[in-house]
Amino acid sequence: GNSVTQMEGPVTLSEEAFLTINCTYTATGYPSLFWYVQYPGEGLQLLLKATKADDKGSNKGFEATYRKETTSFHLEKGSVQVSDSAVYFCALIPPGITGGGNKLTFGTGTQLKVEL
Amino acid sequence: EPEVTQTPSHQVTQMGQEVILRCVPISNHLYFYWYRQILGQKVEFLVSFYNNEISEKSEIFDDQFSVERPDGSNFTLKIRSTKLEDSAMYFCASMAGVWSNEQFFGPGTRLTVL
Repeated sequence: GNSVTQMEGPVTLSEEAFLTINCTYTATGYPSLFWYVQYPGEGLQLLLKATKADDKGSNKGFEATYRKETTSFHLEKGSVQVSDSAVYFCALIPPGITGGGNKLTFGTGTQLKVEL
Repeated sequence: EPEVTQTPSHQVTQMGQEVILRCVPISNHLYFYWYRQILGQKVEFLVSFYNNEISEKSEIFDDQFSVERPDGSNFTLKIRSTKLEDSAMYFCASMAGVWSNEQFFGPGTRLTVL
């Protein structure tokens, strides 16, 4: 079946540090890959996505590149801010169009804490 | 900007009681979903709904659960007889169509079963 594995948190960084949150997936074919962010007390927001191999998704300074050869979609940001403190979820939708409308399979989430 | 809304934000109920969680998806979206997140755990798929019927459901979505789109705007999740282990954050999501592959989530309803 499909699955997503994320690095465990919490990850604690100082402001302006470089961020990497690792994500690898198991799926047949070429799934669509996503990063969602959950700020304290809020719901899930789509941060970025990539739908085919070698695509790079980017938003708000965050980037992730779809690597088919390593089945990975690591999240990176060059300089984090305190406001980036949140839980980050990697997720996938399997390839193809299904009658189910493509359910998301999530990783366990990685909590990021950014300190001054 | 259109958004998915959910009510209530927090629901407290006694074990064995029925609860209905309500969601208003984005207008003109065709696919609707419920997910749940037990505290500290991953977000899990419960059910997807399209064309007024369930498209897919997970093992979690047993006979105690049901979904309905009663009036063309609301999308509800009913739990007939709540159990302690149903305590979780429940998220509703909607998607315009399979071509977009992007699901928009509501803020969630925190269900506490005592």
